[in-house]
Amino acid sequence: RKEVEQDPGPFNVPEGATVAFNCTYSNSASQSFFWYRQDCRKEPKLLMSVYSSGNEDGRFTAQLNRASQYISLLIRDSKLSDSATYLCVVNPVYGDKIIFGKGTRLHILP
Amino acid sequence: DGGITQSPKYLFRKEGQNVTLSCEQNLNHDAMYWYRQDPGQGLRLIYYSQIVNDFQKGDIAEGYSVSREKKESFPLTVTSAQKNPTAFYLCASSDKNSPLHFGNGTRLTVT
Repeated sequence: RKEVEQDPGPFNVPEGATVAFNCTYSNSASQSFFWYRQDCRKEPKLLMSVYSSGNEDGRFTAQLNRASQYISLLIRDSKLSDSATYLCVVNPVYGDKIIFGKGTRLHILP
Repeated sequence: DGGITQSPKYLFRKEGQNVTLSCEQNLNHDAMYWYRQDPGQGLRLIYYSQIVNDFQKGDIAEGYSVSREKKESFPLTVTSAQKNPTAFYLCASSDKNSPLHFGNGTRLTVT
């Protein structure tokens, strides 16, 4: 099993729809989890941290399932500006290297 | 404002020349990282440093070198031994269990 795995997409979704995607990780001792957004030819930017109890930020909801070792991102009422690549990031233990997924490409269609 | 600064944004070099990419942070973070990204690909870790005067190789360290003489600075040298140096280079920093903060990146083109 890869350390961090994401479906590369692309996911083509009409504007206003709800879209969700998952990221699986292999190290059960992983400490912290994040979703980043990367626009074309730009640096990744933090979208949200992922907490054990699940957390929400506006139209975005992140969840962690430790038993099945995955995190998820849900985007409601998608906007054209949500088009980007979404990167899953897992921090195993401080001092070890941070693991990036290869990203899921999302295209919101007008 | 606290942040992480990479310079220059675009860098052009001739094949066979070493080149050093700058990365400076004023976030007082202990850890710093260098990643490489090729078009349509994910981030790959080159080197990382958890503390001053110490650093570890990442997944693709061959042809690269780093130093960490100061907490706020983590320069990356792309040597002539790197076979395919043209890429987007990203520097990042973090603290324990905190998210990575990225610089704006340096786009290196070697011809």
